[in-house]
Amino acid sequence: NAGVMQNPRHLVRRRGQEARLRCSPMKGHSHVYWYRQLPEEGLKFMVYLQKENIIDESGMPKERFSAEFPKEGPSILRIQQVVRGDSAAYFCASSSNRGSNQPQHFGDGTRLSIL
Amino acid sequence: DQQVKQNSPSLSVQEGRISILNCDYTNSMFDYFLWYKKYPAEGPTFLISISSIKDKNEDGRFTVFLNKSAKHLSLHIVPSQPGDSAVYFCAAAGSGGSYIPTFGRGTSLIVHP
Repeated sequence: NAGVMQNPRHLVRRRGQEARLRCSPMKGHSHVYWYRQLPEEGLKFMVYLQKENIIDESGMPKERFSAEFPKEGPSILRIQQVVRGDSAAYFCASSSNRGSNQPQHFGDGTRLSIL
Repeated sequence: DQQVKQNSPSLSVQEGRISILNCDYTNSMFDYFLWYKKYPAEGPTFLISISSIKDKNEDGRFTVFLNKSAKHLSLHIVPSQPGDSAVYFCAAAGSGGSYIPTFGRGTSLIVHP
């Protein structure tokens, strides 16, 4: 079952460290989306990427956060100098096409905890 | 500024009865609506969707109703089963530039045996 794979499932970092979250989309999918879920809240869109390109990063904080989706390999969400407020579940989703009628397929998320 | 609102954080239903989950939206540019189901420690799973050109879409025990004039949609599950216990997210997307779905905060459904 080649679904969306995220790793690690759990990540613990101390304040000031870097966090790297990885996402491999479903086979055949070239569109990747990152979401963040804070406790008791819904999924907040962060960034949308297509191979080697950032299409929409309107939901991503301007500082400390970056994302990439290289030609080869998984998509990476990188958080530099993490702070306690970065603690959340980060979900990656993929789709085969762009468009509002294309359901996204989600991974099981990375739970980031900042000590 | 919540564009997609699920005003009931939780819902409790008896097995065999109907579960009705509600969702309201404010952006009239939304033209496609989706429901996702999420179990603890897992990612959301796509359940059912509806285009704004329809007012009803049915898939087995799941039916989604859309009332465009009221900017309201609902998910009906009949009959409800204990395995349906999960968090249900409503999401809305639009072709008017914002094709990435906006999610509500979710409703936690508990179906009692």
